[in-house]
Amino acid sequence: DAGVTQSPTHLIKTRGQQVTLRCSPKSGHDTVSWYQQALGQGPQFIFQYYEEEERQRGNFPDRFSGHQFPNYSSELNVNALWLGDSALYLCASSSIPGQTTEAFFGQGTRLTVV
Amino acid sequence: AQSVTQLGSHVSVSEGALVLLRCNYSSSVPPYLFWYVQYPNQGLQLLLKYTSAATLVKGINGFEAEFKKSETSFHLTKPSAHMSDAAEYFCAVSVADSSASKIIFGSGTRLSIRP
Repeated sequence: DAGVTQSPTHLIKTRGQQVTLRCSPKSGHDTVSWYQQALGQGPQFIFQYYEEEERQRGNFPDRFSGHQFPNYSSELNVNALWLGDSALYLCASSSIPGQTTEAFFGQGTRLTVV
Repeated sequence: AQSVTQLGSHVSVSEGALVLLRCNYSSSVPPYLFWYVQYPNQGLQLLLKYTSAATLVKGINGFEAEFKKSETSFHLTKPSAHMSDAAEYFCAVSVADSSASKIIFGSGTRLSIRP
């Protein structure tokens, strides 16, 4: 079992550009959540996807958007990048949308905005 | 609203000494609580979780945590620290309803181990 896989592992973008991050959930999981972890801080919830719909959203601007595909994989898109978007982006998967007790995290994508 | 507070952004102990990382929670409903560990440049690994069964929860790598409702605490302990325990530790609480869920994390405690 490959667990939760994220790609790419590292990414450097210029301010104002757009970026897409990808996540494949653990086998048997159909719910994907995204978190942003700024340097020296705890992860912050961005949103959760289930059945290809955004089910819950954290306090992030509309520049952050996502998508879930029929195979349960997910993308996180960030438009008009700011320097402050530099962070580790973590994907977590679980098998029940209303339950986090079995959430598994990927290794993350380190995004640097210059 | 649910939240967690981790007391101490940095804790340093000697190898072989007791590890104690403090976490207090705030929740209007019975909480699900977690401790995660993060090694440098890596993602999060679940150490242990409390889901309203036993109040003393045993996790991986010799860690355990005790849920104390009267103190709204969920402190993480390990009797004897090992050099490999050096990492960032996050206490977290789950917020869920029937349709969605999220995990709210504390700000983290960096654990250093002195030889």
